[in-house]
Amino acid sequence: GENVEQHPSTLSVQEGDSAVIKCTYSDSASNYFPWYKQELGKGPQLIIDIRSNVGEKKDQRIAVTLNKTAKHFSLHITETQPEDSAVYFCAARQAGTALIFGKGTTLSVSS
Amino acid sequence: GAGVSQTPSNKVTEKGKYVELRCDPISGHTALYWYRQSLGQGPEFLIYFQGTGAADDSGLPNDRFFAVRPEGSVSTLKIQRTERGDSAVYLCASSLTGGLSSYEQYFGPGTRLTVT
Repeated sequence: GENVEQHPSTLSVQEGDSAVIKCTYSDSASNYFPWYKQELGKGPQLIIDIRSNVGEKKDQRIAVTLNKTAKHFSLHITETQPEDSAVYFCAARQAGTALIFGKGTTLSVSS
Repeated sequence: GAGVSQTPSNKVTEKGKYVELRCDPISGHTALYWYRQSLGQGPEFLIYFQGTGAADDSGLPNDRFFAVRPEGSVSTLKIQRTERGDSAVYLCASSLTGGLSSYEQYFGPGTRLTVT
């Protein structure tokens, strides 16, 4: 079955810096890769996703890149703000199956 | 519109008791998923419904766990003879469909279950 590895487990940046979180997956049949942001006491919130027919996707300050050959994908947050502080999870799935999540990255943005 | 809702938000129960956790998905979403999240971990899949039927229950840890979705909307996760190891946040997610045309899953706030 699918296995998703996520790094780093914690990341501290200064406000305005960029943050990058990386994930690798094992199942070449996976074709959908979402990123979720989870704040304390809340459920995961979908912030961006990418499908396997695309190499990069951007939405304002966040972007995701996908390398299907190497089976890895990354989340890039530019111009970080204190409100970006949260736990971020990557995940992977095939159509009709459940999401397999990484273990999460705790991002801390200090002002 | 309204998102996924879950009740109760918190549940404390004694070891050996029975509990029910409820999930109300986004209106019109036919696919519903249950996940379990332990402290410091990512959500782990339990069971997936497409309509009223369980399309995949391979994540249920043992036969003490059971889930239903009788009318294809609200779902209930049932845990019998609870154990301290069942303590976790139980998350529900829904998506428009479960098939090739829809991928995005939207999560509820979760139910924090504590077994004492």
